[in-house]
Amino acid sequence: GAGVSQSPSNKVTEKGKDVELRCDPISGHTALYWYRQSLGQGLEFLIYFQGNSAPDKSGLPSDRFSAERTGGSVSTLTIQRTQQEDSAVYLCASSSAGVNIQYFGAGTRLSVL
Amino acid sequence: LAKTTQPISMDSYEGQEVNITCSHNNIATNDYITWYQQFPSQGPRFIIQGYKTKVTNEVASLFIPADRKSSTLSLPRVSLSDTAVYYCLGTAGNKLTFGGGTRVLVKP
Repeated sequence: GAGVSQSPSNKVTEKGKDVELRCDPISGHTALYWYRQSLGQGLEFLIYFQGNSAPDKSGLPSDRFSAERTGGSVSTLTIQRTQQEDSAVYLCASSSAGVNIQYFGAGTRLSVL
Repeated sequence: LAKTTQPISMDSYEGQEVNITCSHNNIATNDYITWYQQFPSQGPRFIIQGYKTKVTNEVASLFIPADRKSSTLSLPRVSLSDTAVYYCLGTAGNKLTFGGGTRVLVKP
């Protein structure tokens, strides 16, 4: 597809389990972003990848959160030992180099029971 | 990034023009003003971006006065499908800081 693709669309997990969320950016986009959106709230920046540069991890809320981007394309956001407060929609976006317009996927809705 | 302030919600009727004003008193010289639209269960969608004066595209117009301390998104002749949350952001660089947005409800 032409847009940003995220999987799964919904994830239900138990407290304490690890989860992996996947993002396929738009082909050719060098920048990739992860955000978190809690119910009825705006988006919270988590992490940003640009090409081969070291990622900007300044938004990650704790060391339970990590992300990687393999081959400059697909990215995985991992949350270890999930907590109920991790329940939110996790959104991925990508953009072209030098363009500050981000294109978002539909998100992964994470529910931690 | 500029801190932005916009109304929490607005109601309108089909066929009317909707204007949403956003204030960004501390906008930096290199900040662009960008608006996104978000429908329930979807990610935000880029609508329009500008630096100063007026920008128009097939979806909306964006008015930015000379001092750039505010901006107004104008949606002409809204329809029910324009019901969404609209976010105003100052975007310089790579991190987008979203506030709570303006929830626009278009009524029949």
